[in-house]
Amino acid sequence: AQSVTQLDSHVSVSEGTPVLLRCNYSSSYSPSLFWYVQHPNKGLQLLLKYTSAATLVKGINGFEAEFKKSETSFHLTKPSAHMSDAAEYFCVVSVLRTGGFKTIFGAGTRLFVKA
Amino acid sequence: EAGVAQSPRYKIIEKRQSVAFWCNPISGHATLYWYQQILGQGPKLLIQFQNNGVVDDSQLPKDRFSAERLKGVDSTLKIQPAKLEDSAVYLCASSLRNAQGYTDTQYFGPGTRLTVL
Repeated sequence: AQSVTQLDSHVSVSEGTPVLLRCNYSSSYSPSLFWYVQHPNKGLQLLLKYTSAATLVKGINGFEAEFKKSETSFHLTKPSAHMSDAAEYFCVVSVLRTGGFKTIFGAGTRLFVKA
Repeated sequence: EAGVAQSPRYKIIEKRQSVAFWCNPISGHATLYWYQQILGQGPKLLIQFQNNGVVDDSQLPKDRFSAERLKGVDSTLKIQPAKLEDSAVYLCASSLRNAQGYTDTQYFGPGTRLTVL
């Protein structure tokens, strides 16, 4: 069975400090992995994706994530948080099934950024 | 490039009533998805279309939910009759293609917030 676990429901950081949002996945096959961000009352926006190329993936707004197969992890990081980063973040795994790929979302991590 | 369009943005109904949501994907996108996002949870896939055929509807409560994608473009999702637990945001997404061997980025619409009283 495939699944994705976001280890923290809430993360709070101060502006200018590093951000770490943790994600672990379970998949019988080589997965594709994504991070999406959802700002209040706005649609989901893709931050970055991993599709079996480079294990360190760079995304928009200074975010990056590293695929670690041995740890089945895909943690999202940013060196310095900005107030505008406050939002809900979703880790997503895409797995191959008969007929195409199936997308599974994590429960989400809400990021708070303090001034 | 125009994004994924959804309407209405908000809907309030009483339980046992019917409701329909509409989605217009990005032009040329063959794959269309409907998700249900309950407050405090991640989106859950309800149904996935490839052109006008259903690829996955394993999590669609078929006794009350139905969806169609006539002509492989626009799609409608219907709930009949609605229950209190159907209160959620219904998200539509589309991707360029999703055939075996290729994963594509999904682009999401703004969602429809449904409140069932």
